[in-house]
Amino acid sequence: EVQLLESGGGLVQPGGSLRLSCAASGFTFSSYAMSWVRQAPGKGLEWVSTIRGSGAGTYYADSVKGRYTISRDKSKSVLYLQMNSLRAEDTAVYFCAKVYSSTWLPFYFDYWGQGTLVTVSS
Amino acid sequence: QTVVTQEPSFSVSPGGTVTLTCGLSSGSVSTTYYPSWYQQTPGQAARALIYNTNSRSSGVPDRFSGSILGNKAALTITGAQADDESDYYCVLYMGSGISVFGGGTKLTVL
Repeated sequence: EVQLLESGGGLVQPGGSLRLSCAASGFTFSSYAMSWVRQAPGKGLEWVSTIRGSGAGTYYADSVKGRYTISRDKSKSVLYLQMNSLRAEDTAVYFCAKVYSSTWLPFYFDYWGQGTLVTVSS
Repeated sequence: QTVVTQEPSFSVSPGGTVTLTCGLSSGSVSTTYYPSWYQQTPGQAARALIYNTNSRSSGVPDRFSGSILGNKAALTITGAQADDESDYYCVLYMGSGISVFGGGTKLTVL
């Protein structure tokens, strides 16, 4: 059974940093791309970032490019999101999601975690 | 900037059929965008329903179907049930690792 468990959320001041983690199990972690998706309070879902299974390719939404870094640890089956220079508008529940295909396409998010809340406020 | 459009809200009667759509602010949606659809109850994780335009994700009942209608992707729910009342999101894969979510449709079953 695929399981994704996010952690690391919390309250941080504007301009601060936070690192989210997503512990994965139930599949061969290194074979699949992984993504982060966020949802601001009362708003819709927003794709944030994706990393290839190999870790060689990383992709970001314009809203976080240059501030966020996605990475993964194959030995621990953990996905990370390092968030720097945080802003109030980054406040959201952050979900990690597994990408369906080990060959990239067709591209979609087949399993999702329950999310972790990040609040950016002074 | 690419904007993916969805109806903000829709209602359907129990047992009825509803079609939600997913368009582009500029241009047409085609299968090359690998449209996918997700169901989310507020505060919960999203559940994948449809991928690659019209393939059902594992465990999804055949009441849910996907297609291209005109210049948009579409999600059709037949025989609507009370627990279909949720938010529905489409995602288009834009290539180069970039995905874009639509704004979501709040579906009411009444």
